[in-house]
Amino acid sequence: LAKTTQPVSMDSYEGQEVNITCSHNNIATNDYITWYQQFPSQGPRFIIQGYKTKVTNEVASLFIPADRKSSTLSLPRVSLSDTAVYYCLVAFSGNTPLVFGKGTRLSVIA
Amino acid sequence: GAVVSQHPSRVICKSGTSVKIECRSLDFQATTMFWYRQFPKQSLMLMATSNEGSKATYEQGVEKDKFLINHASLTLSTLTVTSAHPEDSSFYICSATGGRANTGELFFGEGSRLTVL
Repeated sequence: LAKTTQPVSMDSYEGQEVNITCSHNNIATNDYITWYQQFPSQGPRFIIQGYKTKVTNEVASLFIPADRKSSTLSLPRVSLSDTAVYYCLVAFSGNTPLVFGKGTRLSVIA
Repeated sequence: GAVVSQHPSRVICKSGTSVKIECRSLDFQATTMFWYRQFPKQSLMLMATSNEGSKATYEQGVEKDKFLINHASLTLSTLTVTSAHPEDSSFYICSATGGRANTGELFFGEGSRLTVL
């Protein structure tokens, strides 16, 4: 299972764009990259998933370079409610358990 | 997206008793479910993988006789913490897959907080 490395924590002011980068140097050819958000005392919530290039949905964008050894989650104009822990994971099959790294604790300040 | 429901969300029990936590997939058939535990300010730790109709596969260091997992149907998996002790107090989270087997997207339950007195 590909290991991931993320910054431990990040701070941001409301309204700013936040970019969280994740390294996954040994990602396999068939692995997808998925980002989850977790609030205290709640289960992780799916944010976005991608395989290569750029993916955008209503809450975030995911940038994946050609070598796929890293990925960047971009949160536009964060608000206080975006304060949470963000995890990046890589996996191929839905039947393969996702192993969580330490995640990035994002604190949004007013 | 798909919905996974856990019950109970909170449970307090006395040391030595057993506690059962249910995980249900509400709108899809979950061929595989995963159980995690999470201590305060730490990441999720995978405990076991269960496939419908077969025995669960436990991660190293997880006692299978203490954490009994049953996945008898495609919509329900249960985790029973037997003879619970205060050190078993934790946040237990289940996840399920089956709808998008090739992309690794998991759907997580809301979590169950166990407090053992």
